[in-house]
Amino acid sequence: NAGVTQTPKFRVLKTGQSMTLLCAQDMNHEYMYWYRQDPGMGLRLIHYSVGEGTTAKGEVPDGYNVSRLKKQNFLLGLESAAPSQTSVYFCASSLRGDNEQFFGPGTRLTVL
Amino acid sequence: RKEVEQDPGPFNVPEGATVAFNCTYSNSASQSFFWYRQDCRKEPKLLMSVYSSGNEDGRFTAQLNRASQYISLLIRDSKLSDSATYLCVVNRRWETGGFKTIFGAGTRLFVKA
Repeated sequence: NAGVTQTPKFRVLKTGQSMTLLCAQDMNHEYMYWYRQDPGMGLRLIHYSVGEGTTAKGEVPDGYNVSRLKKQNFLLGLESAAPSQTSVYFCASSLRGDNEQFFGPGTRLTVL
Repeated sequence: RKEVEQDPGPFNVPEGATVAFNCTYSNSASQSFFWYRQDCRKEPKLLMSVYSSGNEDGRFTAQLNRASQYISLLIRDSKLSDSATYLCVVNRRWETGGFKTIFGAGTRLFVKA
């Protein structure tokens, strides 16, 4: 099992550009999450999903959109990138909402 | 005030030392508790769940004190490979149902030879 995978691993964008981060899990987990991690801030939840076809806002959703068309995939979109979105983005999944979360290796995004 | 608070450290300890981290949480409705480990530039990984009765996994012991709303992690006989950031994680129910997971900002540990 690959667990949780993320693509791409690194990306540099210019302000105003758009991009989509892809997260895939092969553990048949219901819940999936997108976090961003900034120095000294810890992990902050952007959006999450409790099942295929559902999405919900987390703590810092502004400037991001998500979709969960298939159970195994969770996409994070940046519509118009801003320098404040420079961060490391982690995707995670869990079987239930109160279970251990399994994380992907992260995407390092720089917005110039 | 953050819902989950940890001392950011860093804790600098020699090999073989015993080190303890505490984490406090503010919401008394919190239901499940975990310690995760995060190595530099890597993803967080579960170290251990924390149970009310306390639990041990090799050199690691986790304790939960619901009355005082804190959890602790004790590492005995520290190894160089224990150098990492340790994240305290708390789950509680959202007001509208479902679960909310809150990550602490982490405590950095450096184990020196």
